[in-house]
Amino acid sequence: QVQLVQSGAEVRKPGASVKVSCKASGYTFTRYYLHWVRQAPGQGLQWMGIIDPGDGSTTYAQKFQDRVTMMRDTSTSTVYMELSSLRSEDTAMYFCACSLTNEYYFHLWGQGTLVTVSS
Amino acid sequence: EIVMTQSPASLSVSPGERATLSCRASQSVPINLAWYQQKPGQPPRLLIYSASTRATGIPARFSGSGSGTEFTLIISSLQSEDFAVYYCQQYNNWPPGGTFGPGTKVEV
Repeated sequence: QVQLVQSGAEVRKPGASVKVSCKASGYTFTRYYLHWVRQAPGQGLQWMGIIDPGDGSTTYAQKFQDRVTMMRDTSTSTVYMELSSLRSEDTAMYFCACSLTNEYYFHLWGQGTLVTVSS
Repeated sequence: EIVMTQSPASLSVSPGERATLSCRASQSVPINLAWYQQKPGQPPRLLIYSASTRATGIPARFSGSGSGTEFTLIISSLQSEDFAVYYCQQYNNWPPGGTFGPGTKVEV
């Protein structure tokens, strides 16, 4: 079935980087754009960025512009989100989510990856 | 950046009752508005897009309305599985992934 499966929970120290994966299956990988959305504990949803799996082009939210990199591997239908210079405020659940290419609401979500930043 | 607000922050409802949730945008987003349901430990689930179109598999007791800056989600007869947090999202303006409201918690 159509699904997004994310990598497991991560623990990092402040200043480190983390790379989270999101594997798509059940549909043509290039059909939908992939986004990353994060949710701090007990908080709301914050959009981080988008990647076009077709050509790998990306757009990032200003808040994360200097620290986030999104990439894709078409051979495995997987997208990755790497966040660097981690601080405690980056402790959150990170979700990947699909949208159509012309309307950016999210019709399919990954299960989420908890990233904990702690010394 | 468009700011989304939701009211009320929490809503106490009994099963079988009707729940009305509001979402307001700081500027017009025509009908580029989605609603999501999130239960603890789960990702959000798309309920409504284009302000009033139910997503695949969403029961008819969920209905969305509105345009411009004022939007409403109505759950006509609450079931036990509907107790959750509901978020609205505008996807009309920058940033590309839009902006979310702070959520409304629907509880017993």
